[in-house]
Amino acid sequence: SQQGEEDPQALSIQEGENATMNCSYKTSINNLQWYRQNSGRGLVHLILIRSNEREKHSGRLRVTLDTSKKSSSLLITASRAADTASYFCATDASGNEKLTFGTGTRLTIIP
Amino acid sequence: GAVVSQHPSRVICKSGTSVKIECRSLDFQATTMFWYRQFPKQSLMLMATSNEGSKATYEQGVEKDKFLINHASLTLSTLTVTSAHPEDSSFYICSARGWGGGRAGELFFGEGSRLTVL
Repeated sequence: SQQGEEDPQALSIQEGENATMNCSYKTSINNLQWYRQNSGRGLVHLILIRSNEREKHSGRLRVTLDTSKKSSSLLITASRAADTASYFCATDASGNEKLTFGTGTRLTIIP
Repeated sequence: GAVVSQHPSRVICKSGTSVKIECRSLDFQATTMFWYRQFPKQSLMLMATSNEGSKATYEQGVEKDKFLINHASLTLSTLTVTSAHPEDSSFYICSARGWGGGRAGELFFGEGSRLTVL
């Protein structure tokens, strides 16, 4: 399987703390994307980072990419209860939007 | 608002029946749509790539006769689960890539369709 791995599988933190999730993948990529999924719902696109980028910010989100280690991290700062969801990384090997998803991290923010 | 619509959002059917799920891009044209399935508490697995006007490309291990995909127009792709069995119960999600106009190159996901086969 080419599916990536994410860790931790589950993460519970207090509201206001920062949450960090990691993603590792197996093949070379064109870009890597992070998505959020609320229980039983579709995916919400959070951020895309290209293979020639090392870090990207969007609001309270910070994503890093290390292509030499084939890994990425997603940092959510000042977490809120509404951030409770599953987070998936997804790699696009060819830039054609055919995505390979990681195993996901279930994030729970405790009010 | 949602730019990719899936219908139905939930469906329950008896074993042996066929179920059709629609994926529709609402305000853009999509030459390519992707179908994924997701088991509870697991990740999304790509099933097939749906191309407008041509046959779908299936991922290894996905039965094309079991999961029929039709992409008859630039705004609609359908997935038909034929002769459904309980093991086909899953959450099916589509995504669509915009072509031309303001949504060109962007990828949007539908809200998913939960299939339960009794």
